[in-house]
Amino acid sequence: ETAVFQTPNYHVTQVGNEVSFNCKQTLGHDTMYWYKQDSKKLLKIMFSYNNKQLIVNETVPRRFSPQSSDKAHLNLRIKSVEPEDSAVYLCASSAWGRYAEQFFGPGTRLTVL
Amino acid sequence: GDSVTQTEGQVTVSESKSLIINCTYSATSIGYPNLFWYVRYPGEGLQLLLKVITAGQKGSSRGFEATYNKEATSFHLQKASVQESDSAVYYCALSENSGTYQRFGTGTKLQVVP
Repeated sequence: ETAVFQTPNYHVTQVGNEVSFNCKQTLGHDTMYWYKQDSKKLLKIMFSYNNKQLIVNETVPRRFSPQSSDKAHLNLRIKSVEPEDSAVYLCASSAWGRYAEQFFGPGTRLTVL
Repeated sequence: GDSVTQTEGQVTVSESKSLIINCTYSATSIGYPNLFWYVRYPGEGLQLLLKVITAGQKGSSRGFEATYNKEATSFHLQKASVQESDSAVYYCALSENSGTYQRFGTGTKLQVVP
């Protein structure tokens, strides 16, 4: 099956803990993304990677760090989570270029207590 | 910076009636962005519905249409006769100049009632 896969589906944690989310795509794409969807349903870009290289870091707090081992994987680590990090995190992939559609994973819902 | 504004919240339409979900954009960094509509059906992931990359052209898919209006900076989504299976959340988006990511609107939840 070719798609974008994310784990876990849900994660509940306490303020100050570290969390990691995984994303893998089997579509053969060169570019991967992390988006944050907040409580108002706004989708905001966090990071964009092309062939394992960071392309975009859109004003994200330093406690967020993406990790790419190869072009099919893009993980997200949050060191010392805060309440405002509660959101749905969406991973996506695409071919390179502004005409390319993006393919999304199902999302990881993070709740910070 | 660039932004996308679309009909907020939820829209409820009776089956077989027409639909329009408004989308306007501001693209200060690029003159002619590429425009997209994505849809998330219940229980499914976000997926592309249609896209238009040339101003003045119309895109269509699954009975939905959207026309890229450069003068009005709009990309409204329309359907002449909705069905219950169209109930979903619809997102308007534009691509940045470098193509490095897309900027999304807040999403519009469509509920089609019998």
